Amino acid sequence: GDSVTQTEGQVALSEEDFLTIHCNYSASGYPALFWYVQYPGEGPQFLFRASRDKEKGSSRGFEATYNKEATSFHLQKASVQESDSAVYYCALKNAGAKLTFGGGTRLTVRP
Amino acid sequence: EAAVTQSPRNKVTVTGGNVTLSCRQTNSHNYMYWYRQDTGHGLRLIHYSYGAGNLQIGDVPDGYKATRTTQEDFFLLLELASPSQTSLYFCASSGRVFAEQFFGPGTRLTVL
Repeated sequence: GDSVTQTEGQVALSEEDFLTIHCNYSASGYPALFWYVQYPGEGPQFLFRASRDKEKGSSRGFEATYNKEATSFHLQKASVQESDSAVYYCALKNAGAKLTFGGGTRLTVRP
Repeated sequence: EAAVTQSPRNKVTVTGGNVTLSCRQTNSHNYMYWYRQDTGHGLRLIHYSYGAGNLQIGDVPDGYKATRTTQEDFFLLLELASPSQTSLYFCASSGRVFAEQFFGPGTRLTVL
């Protein structure tokens, strides 16, 4: 079945550092890829989506590019802030309505 | 902004107890979902629905029933709760198959 792997379980950075969270997927067909963010005490929130190869999704300074050859959708941000501290989830949606999530990456940004 | 509400926000029950978790969305979305969130497992889909009266099985359905009574309301039922069902439960809705999902604030369930 479909699966999403996030390499880093936790990432700790200082403000203004560059962020990369790695996401790789395994799926048949041509899935849509998503990033969600979850702040403490809240449900996950949609960040952005990409639906085709080489498409870049972006929001709030975060971005990721759909790479079908590498089966990847890595999240990046040029300069993180303390307010970016949260859990980030990569997810895919293949044929049908089910969304498959990765295990999540907890980002902690030190002031 | 889509509005998804869940009740109760916290629930404590005993092993073998009956629990119903409620979810309501007010944006006329067709699709609704129930997830559980556990450390090390991320979010896992329990059941989902395309509309009133429809139910689809998710990835971790054992021990759970669900019912979609109206377009707005989706319930998760645990008829014989077990400690392994202690978790944080999220409901979500979406308007189209490939659209983003909007999540509720979650219900923390503890089974003693």
